[in-house]
Amino acid sequence: DQQVKQNSPSLSVQEGRISILNCDYTNSMFDYFLWYKKYPAEGPTFLISISSIKDKNEDGRFTVFLNKSAKHLSLHIVPSQPGDSAVYFCAASEFFYNTDKLIFGTGTRLQVFP
Amino acid sequence: DAGVIQSPRHEVTEMGQEVTLRCKPISGHDYLFWYRQTMMRGLELLIYFNNNVPIDDSGMPEDRFSAKMPNASFSTLKIQPSEPRDSAVYFCASSLPGHYNEQFFGPGTRLTVL
Repeated sequence: DQQVKQNSPSLSVQEGRISILNCDYTNSMFDYFLWYKKYPAEGPTFLISISSIKDKNEDGRFTVFLNKSAKHLSLHIVPSQPGDSAVYFCAASEFFYNTDKLIFGTGTRLQVFP
Repeated sequence: DAGVIQSPRHEVTEMGQEVTLRCKPISGHDYLFWYRQTMMRGLELLIYFNNNVPIDDSGMPEDRFSAKMPNASFSTLKIQPSEPRDSAVYFCASSLPGHYNEQFFGPGTRLTVL
């Protein structure tokens, strides 16, 4: 049973345009969400996070939006660059309930073309 | 800082053989996590340790899998006997005290069981 779902296995976007990656979750106890980026032959690296007390967090070209009522979050990349081409994993945790685990989605492969 | 170190990077073995994967976490990190990545299930948490003590091994698929952390700088994940369905990329990650949601991943071990 996937508690964190990334229903789009792949996304292709032109350089300079916006990339929107989506993530849905089923566990209402999740209160902290993260996005990781993974290049081929490397481990995932932390990108950006958001607490459930917020609905938006921004870091440069990356913005994460959280809609708690819909149990949905999204990652926006503006403008997209070829170096953003990677697999993006959404992850969630019950941070404030002292649970240390991260539950990851299956990932979305983003390709940014010139 | 060298980051999380995993060895070997690639392992090819035959069904029934024992496989041992190794991990050296970042110095000072007191959480260590083992994950398995597959296309179908994404990143699955297998087991994690806090201060060398296993906290949650509910993700370990079968008794064929075992993990140890004899000290703060070394952990192993062993599969005995290995099966073709164990073929995957195995990641080790570590995190700082109080920041356990932001995990630092190693480069992974790609395991192929023939």
